[in-house]
Amino acid sequence: SQQGEEDPQALSIQEGENATMNCSYKTSINNLQWYRQNSGRGLVHLILIRSNEREKHSGRLRVTLDTSKKSSSLLITASRAADTASYFCATDLGETSGSRLTFGEGTQLTVNP
Amino acid sequence: EAQVTQNPRYLITVTGKKLTVTCSQNMNHEYMSWYRQDPGLGLRQIYYSMNVEVTDKGDVPEGYKVSRKEKRNFPLILESPSPNQTSLYFCASSPGLFTYEQYFGPGTRLTVT
Repeated sequence: SQQGEEDPQALSIQEGENATMNCSYKTSINNLQWYRQNSGRGLVHLILIRSNEREKHSGRLRVTLDTSKKSSSLLITASRAADTASYFCATDLGETSGSRLTFGEGTQLTVNP
Repeated sequence: EAQVTQNPRYLITVTGKKLTVTCSQNMNHEYMSWYRQDPGLGLRQIYYSMNVEVTDKGDVPEGYKVSRKEKRNFPLILESPSPNQTSLYFCASSPGLFTYEQYFGPGTRLTVT
């Protein structure tokens, strides 16, 4: 089964609203990363949060990490139509995994103009 | 421009006909990886390489081969493709082990009939 699981699977909001996506994982991690994928295209890295960090910001993005609950959330504030994409969390288990990223199945975000 | 390139971008082939998907990065990255993306299954890692002549299996290596003779190139070889290998394939690279974001190529859509 996947190490990371995103929730919800799909999210539809209006432009200007905030979008929150959640990721849960099963085992201890070295870091957790969020990626965006526009339809049929390559993934683009958004933000990386280390296991000893609790919150990180990048522009309109805010990521939190709760290692006790093995969960992370991605908040996109003041969403735009251009934010429409799939969002994936990926966990890096560190040395025990040979530094491999394990991806969840993603959240499909639709921002309606 | 720093990038990961893949060729071909689209390929339709027949069962059993050997094919190679090339991947090249111009960022002098040590770490390279191949993923396949299927609906409902997310991204799954096929093989990865931590340096020249060092490769290892990911989560779904059956039916695939890789080689890393040069730092910049990491071709994916399907010796005898089958219809269950119809998928969207991504190559990725990163500067090294742990705590690094991965840079993804644009994807190769493969159909095996």
